[in-house]
Amino acid sequence: QSALTQPASVSGSPGQSITVSCTGTSSDVGGYNYVSWYQQHPGEAPKLMIYEVSNRPSGVSTRFSGSKSGNTASLTISGLQAEDEADYYCESYTSSSTWVFGGGTKLTVL
Amino acid sequence: QITLKESGPTLVKPTQTLTLTCTFSGFSLSATGVGVGWVRQPPGKALEWLALIYWDDDKRYSPSLKSRLTITKDTSRNQVVLTMTSMDPVDTATYYCAHRAYYNMPFDSWGQGTLVTVTS
Repeated sequence: QSALTQPASVSGSPGQSITVSCTGTSSDVGGYNYVSWYQQHPGEAPKLMIYEVSNRPSGVSTRFSGSKSGNTASLTISGLQAEDEADYYCESYTSSSTWVFGGGTKLTVL
Repeated sequence: QITLKESGPTLVKPTQTLTLTCTFSGFSLSATGVGVGWVRQPPGKALEWLALIYWDDDKRYSPSLKSRLTITKDTSRNQVVLTMTSMDPVDTATYYCAHRAYYNMPFDSWGQGTLVTVTS
């Protein structure tokens, strides 16, 4: 299985909104509502931000939201803050009954 | 509070077998639906999903690495062990273990990771 496709980088100014895409196939993203998003700061372990496409774990800011259309899932961060600068990874369940990550997106807050 | 910690060698020679142990607390791997998995990340690169074991000993492996991986659990010792054979320098990475609360739920708690370097 191939890694899901994410843009290598996105950027935005404080207060703005940005969207990170995650494109797969009908055998992963498009076939299941088991898409998650993780945030990873340098030197740290990943942190769960979104699960099952659009659900937020307790404690995660409401500025983070997720959606899906066809084979592409998206993570939107509104009201961008300096602390949001990090790498973001999507993850999807697959038809092989395993999971696959995206290639990661580096978010820069200008 | 769920905690996980990876342990194992920091240096491995090419062709050797890597054995990593994940020791956890705050949950039981005998509880219905619970899973513990492994993810790795080469320096400066993306996360890669490796393997997962469930409470009922159901095991899942990355298709691309399946022939090299074995995941086992010791419920009484709260440990999950990952072995990877035929190590190569490209396997140099930080290896993380993580907790899944229920079947297809995501990894909600992660260990700190352990860097494994493959070099002769």
